Amino acid sequence: AQTVTQSQPEMSVQEAETVTLSCTYDTSENNYYLFWYKQPPSRQMILVIRQEAYKQQNATENRFSVNFQKAAKSFSLKISDSQLGDTAMYFCAVDGGSQGNLIFGKGTKLSVKP
Amino acid sequence: EPEVTQTPSHQVTQMGQEVILRCVPISNHLYFYWYRQILGQKVEFLVSFYNNEISEKSEIFDDQFSVERPDGSNFTLKIRSTKLEDSAMYFCASGRDYMDEQFFGPGTRLTVL
Repeated sequence: AQTVTQSQPEMSVQEAETVTLSCTYDTSENNYYLFWYKQPPSRQMILVIRQEAYKQQNATENRFSVNFQKAAKSFSLKISDSQLGDTAMYFCAVDGGSQGNLIFGKGTKLSVKP
Repeated sequence: EPEVTQTPSHQVTQMGQEVILRCVPISNHLYFYWYRQILGQKVEFLVSFYNNEISEKSEIFDDQFSVERPDGSNFTLKIRSTKLEDSAMYFCASGRDYMDEQFFGPGTRLTVL
């Protein structure tokens, strides 16, 4: 069974600074996708970034980048130049089956302070 | 920009009652999902739906749960006889392809008394 672990329940960062959110996972699949989703307060979850496991190059999306270590089953999210609007719950997820159902971690609550 | 919508935003029901949670996925999406999040716990997969049938379901999705796409636009989750432990936030999601980004709705908060 697939599992996802986020070991940091809460984090805070100063505006304009860089922060890294940790995620480890376990899966028996050979080909899979990893995701970071963001859930702002009282709003719906939106995709931040996606990584295909067979691609060695780390995904980047503007200020968001990942450090994907396949052998270690680690998938951390780095947010550069943090903005107040980055304040949210961040969920790490792995696709858990042939139909794309997602297995989520418990989330990290990130607060960006002015 | 197209969005997944869910109604109601909050549902309160008595234990043993039936509830139907409604979702309108994005119109050109083919894959549909229900997830739930019990307060303070992780988001959990319930069921996936494709081509008018369930494609995968979790252990949570037992006989008291059912899903339906009655009219080509709505996607519903029915809980036949609610239990206290069904209290949670229920999220609907849809995607163009099973490996594609899933777009989530805002959720329905279900409270079972």
